[in-house]
Amino acid sequence: GNSVTQMEGPVTLSEEAFLTINCTYTATGYPSLFWYVQYPGEGLQLLLKATKADDKGSNKGFEATYRKETTSFHLEKGSVQVSDSAVYFCAGVSGGSNYKLTFGKGTLLTVNP
Amino acid sequence: KAGVTQTPRYLIKTRGQQVTLSCSPISGHRSVSWYQQTPGQGLQFLFEYFSETQRNKGNFPGRFSGRQFSNSRSEMNVSTLELGDSALYLCASSRDWGDTQYFGPGTRLTVL
Repeated sequence: GNSVTQMEGPVTLSEEAFLTINCTYTATGYPSLFWYVQYPGEGLQLLLKATKADDKGSNKGFEATYRKETTSFHLEKGSVQVSDSAVYFCAGVSGGSNYKLTFGKGTLLTVNP
Repeated sequence: KAGVTQTPRYLIKTRGQQVTLSCSPISGHRSVSWYQQTPGQGLQFLFEYFSETQRNKGNFPGRFSGRQFSNSRSEMNVSTLELGDSALYLCASSRDWGDTQYFGPGTRLTVL
């Protein structure tokens, strides 16, 4: 079955620091990949996605590139803000999993002023 | 366009009781999936419905069930509640399989 391995936190950064959260996947076929963000007390919000190899998803300054050769989808942001503090989930879905989303364990990010 | 809505947002029940949670998908979305989120197990897939039919099911006991109505709204039911059922239950909707899933705010269930 599909699996997603995500860098576990917590990650603590200062404002304006560079962020990388690693994510690798194992899947049957070619999955679509997603990053979701969860703010305290809320549900999951879609942050960005990529549906095929070499696609780059981007949103709100966050980026992730679908690397087929390394089966990776690392999340990056050049300059984090305090408001980016949240839990970030990497997820994948493919026909091999009957299209159910498989999530990583989540990475708690705290950004200090 | 309104997002996914879930009711109620919070629930407190005691062991042995049953509970029903409701989810209204984004207009035009026909697929509804349910997930359980706990600190220990993370996000786990419960089941998925499309056009009133369950198409996919996760590894949960039969106490967990669901259904979908003709307007795509969905309910999930948990019978004979156990302490370990305390969790955030998230509903997500999409147009169909493989399409992006959009999540609601969740229902926080506490079992005492």
